[in-house]
Amino acid sequence: AQSVTQLDSQVPVFEEAPVELRCNYSSSVSVYLFWYVQYPNQGLQLLLKYLSGSTLVESINGFEAEFNKSQTSFHLRKPSVHISDTAEYFCAVSGGTSYGKLTFGQGTILTVHP
Amino acid sequence: DTGVSQNPRHKITKRGQNVTFRCDPISEHNRLYWYRQTLGQGPEFLTYFQNEAQLEKSRLLSDRFSAERPKGSFSTLEIQRTEQGDSAMYLCASSLGGQGTETQYFGPGTRLLVL
Repeated sequence: AQSVTQLDSQVPVFEEAPVELRCNYSSSVSVYLFWYVQYPNQGLQLLLKYLSGSTLVESINGFEAEFNKSQTSFHLRKPSVHISDTAEYFCAVSGGTSYGKLTFGQGTILTVHP
Repeated sequence: DTGVSQNPRHKITKRGQNVTFRCDPISEHNRLYWYRQTLGQGPEFLTYFQNEAQLEKSRLLSDRFSAERPKGSFSTLEIQRTEQGDSAMYLCASSLGGQGTETQYFGPGTRLLVL
């Protein structure tokens, strides 16, 4: 069985500050890792994903995440956040015998203050 | 690309009533997923279809829940004899493929409140 733990339920930061949202996973098999974002009053949408190859993956809006197999982590970072980054962020894994099915973490609410 | 749509967006019902939700996936997508999300939690997998075949059901899906995708296009999720614990957001997602690497596109969800 797979599980995902997001270590912070809420992260408040000021605009232009760096941020890290932490995600740890547990799985006995190789996994694919995802970060989804949910902006206020919108549906979940993919932010970035790690499938294989380079352990550092980037999104088009400046977020990046690094897959660390030894620490079973996939933390999400951004060097300088904007007000518009305020949203709930979900880490998820898929793999093993249930390809495609996503197992999500509990979510982290990122609030960016001016 | 019209995205994934779900209807209704909100449903209020009394305990013991039956409810049915509909999901229309992105047209060429062969996979369709149902998830449930309660307050303060991430989405939890319920079931998924590859075309019209239901390939996996979570143990969360009690015998009061049934899902169909009759022609491999839209899907319905029915809850019989609703209970207050069924109150949640029900999410539908679709994707093209089946290896676990593909992106799932989520609909806006149906929020169910059981009184």
